[in-house]
Order: sequence, then C-alpha cells, then structure tokens
Amino acid sequence: DSGVTQTPKHLITATGQRVTLRCSPRSGDLSVYWYQQSLDQGLQFLIQYYNGEERAKGNILERFSAQQFPDLHSELNLSSLELGDSALYFCASSVGGGPSTEAFFGQGTRLTVV
Amino acid sequence: GQNIDQPTEMTATEGAIVQINCTYQTSGFNGLFWYQQHAGEAPTFLSYNVLDGLEEKGRFSSFLSRSKGYSYLLLKELQMKDSASYLCAVRDNNDMRFGAGTRLTVKP
Repeated sequence: DSGVTQTPKHLITATGQRVTLRCSPRSGDLSVYWYQQSLDQGLQFLIQYYNGEERAKGNILERFSAQQFPDLHSELNLSSLELGDSALYFCASSVGGGPSTEAFFGQGTRLTVV
Repeated sequence: GQNIDQPTEMTATEGAIVQINCTYQTSGFNGLFWYQQHAGEAPTFLSYNVLDGLEEKGRFSSFLSRSKGYSYLLLKELQMKDSASYLCAVRDNNDMRFGAGTRLTVKP
C-alpha cells in the first residue's frame, strides 16, 4: 500500500458525460501528479500540482482539468467523454515538487466509456 | 519533440543479469526515471539519474549518458518476481514522457 488513495476504483459512463476522479496523497506529500495509461498510448503524464498550484503540464486535453485543494487532495475532471478516454488513470504523490522527487502511485481508477 | 525508445520485450533466466536500454531525444533534459510495473498494478519508482554515471541501489543499477541520450537499467541476480514491465521516463522541463515499456520475463 503506497498510501495514495484513489476513488472510485472503477467507473463506467457514457460518451458525452462528465466524471470526477479523486486522489488523496500520502500524508505529508505536497505534490500530486495525474497520469493516463491506455493500451495504445502507454503511460502519459497529464499534470502536476504542488501545494495547490499547477507545477507542470503534460499532454492534457482541454476537456480535462484538475485542481488541488487546500487539504491537498486533488480531483481530475474529465468532460465530454469519448470512447478513447477509456483508460487507467493514476494519481501519484511526492513530498517535493522538483523533478527528482520520488513519486508514489495509487492503484488507479479504471474508466470505461461506453 | 521527445522520443523515448526501449525494447518491447526481453527474456532472461533466474539468477542472471539483464540490461534494459533506453534512448531518448529531448530539448530540455531534467532527469531520467526508471519505473517497474507489474501487470494490473501501479508503477513503482526504481531510480532517478540527472548526472552522467551509474547509480546503484541493491540489485538494481541505472546508468546515464546525457551526451548520448542513453540510459540503461541493470538488474542483477534476477528473481521470478522481477518479471514485469520496466518504464523509462524523461523529465523535460515541465513535461514528463514515458517510453512504451520493456516487458521482462524471467524464466527458471
């Protein structure tokens, strides 16, 4: 158990819908990262927040947004869902915000868009 | 752009040594990571290199050559539990890119 909690574990929804994925980082960690992993695209970095502020941004679609709250938990919002958004979404957390910081991953949320 | 290339699959024998290579192209190198991911599980951090040279951590070592855009992960005394995918990832300023992963199968 990494200490990073993601909910829900599984989510099935229809195209065009909007969903929110939730992540609670390890106690004491200030950074939260979001990743998408699909069979054809592999693991892709989406976005990083550090202490409530956006720190780094990867290949995140405009239909997706994230935020980190004062209690440091984070949410990833996915809207206007398409079939291709079906994937495993991981959250990771780390103490620091720098590139060398070791990040610990949650078990992921498996999203299926039908 | 940023390309990260690593072999798709490798097979090795229990107790042996295996080297997984990774080559990359980047415009703003800020470190290279190796992760291990067992099927159906989350990735786990193995190593981070930002300077040239070898970093050793138990049975695992990681090497980096920035001038060559090259890294390798060395696994010694292979165990069956080392069968997993190994992901090479490069931090490029504000982005982080992953290779497709190398699926390692350890055979008795």
